[in-house]
Amino acid sequence: GDSVTQMEGPVTLSEEACLTINCTYTATGYPSLFWYVQYPGEGLQLLLKATKADDKGSNKGFEATYRKETTSFHLEKGSVQVSDSAVYFCALTLLTQGGSEKLVFGKGMKLTVNP
Amino acid sequence: NAGVTQTPKFRILKIGQSMTLQCTQDMNHNYMYWYRQDPGMGLKLIYYSVGAGITDKGEVPNGYNVSRSTTEDFPLRLELAAPSQTSVYFCASTQYRAGYTFGSGTRLTVV
Repeated sequence: GDSVTQMEGPVTLSEEACLTINCTYTATGYPSLFWYVQYPGEGLQLLLKATKADDKGSNKGFEATYRKETTSFHLEKGSVQVSDSAVYFCALTLLTQGGSEKLVFGKGMKLTVNP
Repeated sequence: NAGVTQTPKFRILKIGQSMTLQCTQDMNHNYMYWYRQDPGMGLKLIYYSVGAGITDKGEVPNGYNVSRSTTEDFPLRLELAAPSQTSVYFCASTQYRAGYTFGSGTRLTVV
């Protein structure tokens, strides 16, 4: 079935370090890909998205490129801040046979950034 | 900019009690979803709806029921609460491929 596999962590970094969170997917068809972020005590927020191969999503200094050949959507940031401490979820959406849309999540990765 | 509103934010239930988690969105989205998030785990889909009057089961529907009488509202009903239903519940809505908007969650404890 359709699935998302991502680094699970937890990961602790120092401020200004580089971040890469790996995400790969298995899907029939052509999914849209997303990264969501969950700050402590809050709901999930859309961080960035890409809807077709070679698209690059970007937001708040984060980037991810939709790589169809490697079925990947790795999240990167060149210099993390303390405020980036959160749980990060990779996800995909596909149309079901009935024509509805479902979002499938990875398990999430907790990032802590220390000053 | 209300987005997706969930109530209540917190609730403690005794085993066997029932309750309804409310979810309302003001973005005129057709698709609405209920997820549960257990500690250290990702989100699992409970039920979803593609429009008023249409609902369908997700991965973990047992012990829950939903209804969708209007575009805006998508309540989740727990009948006969069990400790295994202790979790954080998130409601979400979307239009196709637009990215989901999530509510702030309901933290439920069953004792």
